[in-house]
Amino acid sequence: AQSVSQHNHHVILSEAASLELGCNYSYGGTVNLFWYVQYPGQHLQLLLKYFSGDPLVKGIKGFEAEFIKSKFSFNLRKPSVQWSDTAEYFCAVNPSGGYQKVTFGTGTKLQVIP
Amino acid sequence: KAGVTQTPRYLIKTRGQQVTLSCSPISGHRSVSWYQQTPGQGLQFLFEYFSETQRNKGNFPGRFSGRQFSNSRSEMNVSTLELGDSALYLCASSLEGRTEEKLFFGSGTQLSVL
Repeated sequence: AQSVSQHNHHVILSEAASLELGCNYSYGGTVNLFWYVQYPGQHLQLLLKYFSGDPLVKGIKGFEAEFIKSKFSFNLRKPSVQWSDTAEYFCAVNPSGGYQKVTFGTGTKLQVIP
Repeated sequence: KAGVTQTPRYLIKTRGQQVTLSCSPISGHRSVSWYQQTPGQGLQFLFEYFSETQRNKGNFPGRFSGRQFSNSRSEMNVSTLELGDSALYLCASSLEGRTEEKLFFGSGTQLSVL
């Protein structure tokens, strides 16, 4: 069975600071990787995803993530955060093939201070 | 296009009772999956339905069950409620339930068990 680890539970940054949220997964086969975001009072929505090709994927609102297969990692990055990025971020993995059975990390709460 | 709709938004039950939650997917989406979200545990996969058939199941006891109707609407049922079942229950839909598809989430049903 797959598992996902998000090591940062709560991150506080000032506006314009750079962001990197760690995500490591455990699974022996090919995977599809996702970052979802939950803004205050809103439902979960997709930020970006990787399923094949270029390991550097770009998502909405200037976010990007890099899949490093040798490290089983899919870290989320943003060069300059804004107050509106305050949200909870979830990394998720879904083994390729088969059907939906997504495993989520426990989430990272990001607080951006103006 | 209307999003994923979950009803009711809030529920309060007592131990031993049972509860039924409802989810209407985005029009045209045939896959519906359910997740339990608790603080510190993140989202945990319950099950996934497609064309009225359960295709995947997470590691939850048999008290948790679900079904899907011919119009793709889904219900989940929890019998003999326990205090630990208090959580936000999220429903997500996707077109075919393939592992590379993104999930569209509803706002969830907040269940409190007293």
